[in-house]
Amino acid sequence: DVKVTQSSRYLVKRTGEKVFLECVQDMDHENMFWYRQDPGLGLRLIYFSYDVKMKEKGDIPEGYSVSREKKERFSLILESASTNQTSMYLCASSLTARDTQYFGPGTRLTVL
Amino acid sequence: ELKVEQNPLFLSMQEGKNYTIYCNYSTTSDRLYWYRQDPGKSLESLFVLLSNGAVKQEGRLMASLDTKARLSTLHITAAVHDLSATYFCAVDGETSGSRLTFGEGTQLTVNP
Repeated sequence: DVKVTQSSRYLVKRTGEKVFLECVQDMDHENMFWYRQDPGLGLRLIYFSYDVKMKEKGDIPEGYSVSREKKERFSLILESASTNQTSMYLCASSLTARDTQYFGPGTRLTVL
Repeated sequence: ELKVEQNPLFLSMQEGKNYTIYCNYSTTSDRLYWYRQDPGKSLESLFVLLSNGAVKQEGRLMASLDTKARLSTLHITAAVHDLSATYFCAVDGETSGSRLTFGEGTQLTVNP
């Protein structure tokens, strides 16, 4: 079975802090994704990566950056957290570009 | 820009009844996914529909795809309480590569 893990289930940070969210997949998938999920807005793509050190902006990249130094690990970085970044963050991976995406358990981030 | 609309957004039904969730999308696509999300949990893949006329069934759920109408349906037969969850459709537009666009989700509650 595909396993996608995220470093924290719940995280509370203060405005202005730098925040790192980590995602690891164990199935040698090429593609990895970061989404945020907000009530009434569904899932929105922040960034994705189709290879090590490669990244592409999604629909809402502002205020975020990403890093993919190893194939299995994809990090989402909030350089200076703000209250409007309070959300559920979901990581996903897929074997190739058009395969099913498998999701991690999510990190619920609260920025105070 | 690809838009994906689900309806209804909220659905309360009694056990034993049948109902259909609709997913409309705005641009050409030959690939559509259905996911399930239980409260506080991540997304679980249910179906991937790969071509016009595709039909997939698992237990009490059946999904179909009409690419000409740009419509997918998720039909629930003889609902049971365990089907209570939020259901998302997601569309892979032909020009979007590995990017999925998600609908807002349909929150299904099955009452005993």
